[in-house]
Amino acid sequence: EDKVVQSPLSLVVHEGDTVTLNCSYEVTNFRSLLWYKQEKKAPTFLFMLTSSGIEKKSGRLSSILDKKELSSILNITATQTGDSAIYLCAVRGWAGGTSYGKLTFGQGTILTVHP
Amino acid sequence: NAGVTQTPKFRVLKTGQSMTLLCAQDMNHEYMYWYRQDPGMGLRLIHYSVGEGTTAKGEVPDGYNVSRLKKQNFLLGLESAAPSQTSVYFCASSYSSRGNGHTEAFFGQGTRLTVV
Repeated sequence: EDKVVQSPLSLVVHEGDTVTLNCSYEVTNFRSLLWYKQEKKAPTFLFMLTSSGIEKKSGRLSSILDKKELSSILNITATQTGDSAIYLCAVRGWAGGTSYGKLTFGQGTILTVHP
Repeated sequence: NAGVTQTPKFRVLKTGQSMTLLCAQDMNHEYMYWYRQDPGMGLRLIHYSVGEGTTAKGEVPDGYNVSRLKKQNFLLGLESAAPSQTSVYFCASSYSSRGNGHTEAFFGQGTRLTVV
């Protein structure tokens, strides 16, 4: 059974702070790890990581995968109130047959950024 | 650009009633998923489909059934609703190609279901 654990579960910071969100996973035949941001409604895609050690970056957000440690981090620098959201981590593996494509999510980290 | 569309957006059911949630995608994606989201639990996979006519169970399939008769539609059914099925339901879709691997999942806007 695939498993994804995120930490911390919630985080409160002030504008301008830097935050690091963690994601650990157990999956058969790892294929990819994905990060999503969820505000009021549907999750929106941030990054997909498949290779260890290669940082993906988009503005103030960046993420990196460590396949040896079975983990990933999502960094947000110079946080703004608009970064307040639930951040979700998901992994895709393959245990054979129809499990290909199955995407398993963690519990999410609730980030609150105060002005 | 419709993407993934879920209907209805809100629904209140009485215990024991049945209903069907409809998910439609216009991106020609093979893979479709149904998740439920409860506070502190992230997204939990109910059922998924890797193509027209095929479905598979996820983490929390009990009390739900699904069908994928057409590639663009994925239906989630509750035969006899229970208060424990009060949740927000999300549908998603994705595709895979030989050259580029599997894409991210694209989500619908969610259905808020309350069972009283």
